[in-house]
Amino acid sequence: SQKIEQNSEALNIQEGKTATLTCNYTNYSPAYLQWYRQDPGRGPVFLLLIRENEKEKRKERLKVTFDTTLKQSLFHITASQPADSATYLCALDSTSGTYKYIFGTGTRLKVLA
Amino acid sequence: GAGVSQSPSNKVTEKGKDVELRCDPISGHTALYWYRQSLGQGLEFLIYFQGNSAPDKSGLPSDRFSAERTGGSVSTLTIQRTQQEDSAVYLCASRPRDLRGYNEQFFGPGTRLTVL
Repeated sequence: SQKIEQNSEALNIQEGKTATLTCNYTNYSPAYLQWYRQDPGRGPVFLLLIRENEKEKRKERLKVTFDTTLKQSLFHITASQPADSATYLCALDSTSGTYKYIFGTGTRLKVLA
Repeated sequence: GAGVSQSPSNKVTEKGKDVELRCDPISGHTALYWYRQSLGQGLEFLIYFQGNSAPDKSGLPSDRFSAERTGGSVSTLTIQRTQQEDSAVYLCASRPRDLRGYNEQFFGPGTRLTVL
């Protein structure tokens, strides 16, 4: 069955360092992948989308890579700040090009001042 | 403009009671989704609407769950005879018309349901 794995353990890093979060998937080939941020008590907020034919996408301090051979996406936050502390979710379309999304369980990031 | 809103923000009910959760999507967004998020879990897809039609209800956990959407806008998720395992945060999301699904989803703040 289709499965998405994100590191369920919290990631603690020092302010100013680069945070790297991992999203691995099995048993399907998504057309695109999205990353969302979720703060406690709030709904997820969209950050970035990367398509299957793109290797890398950047937005300000954020960078996402998508390796369809490894079936993995990496999400990087450079020059991290305490305000970046949140849970980060990856989401993929369940079958190529359709409307339905499968979300990972998320990785909780804590940036220490 | 206004984002996705959901009501109530919190709902505490007794086992066996029925509950209705409401979602007001962003105006003009034709696609609407309901998800469930349990503590420490990812988002579990429940149902998807395109306009007033629900082409995919495959995520509804049981026949106690139903949803409708009227006027291509407001949606209501109804849970009948609630059980304690229904306790979770119910999230609604909308997105503009793009059947390829490339558009981002805009989420509401969620309704936290507690079944005693």
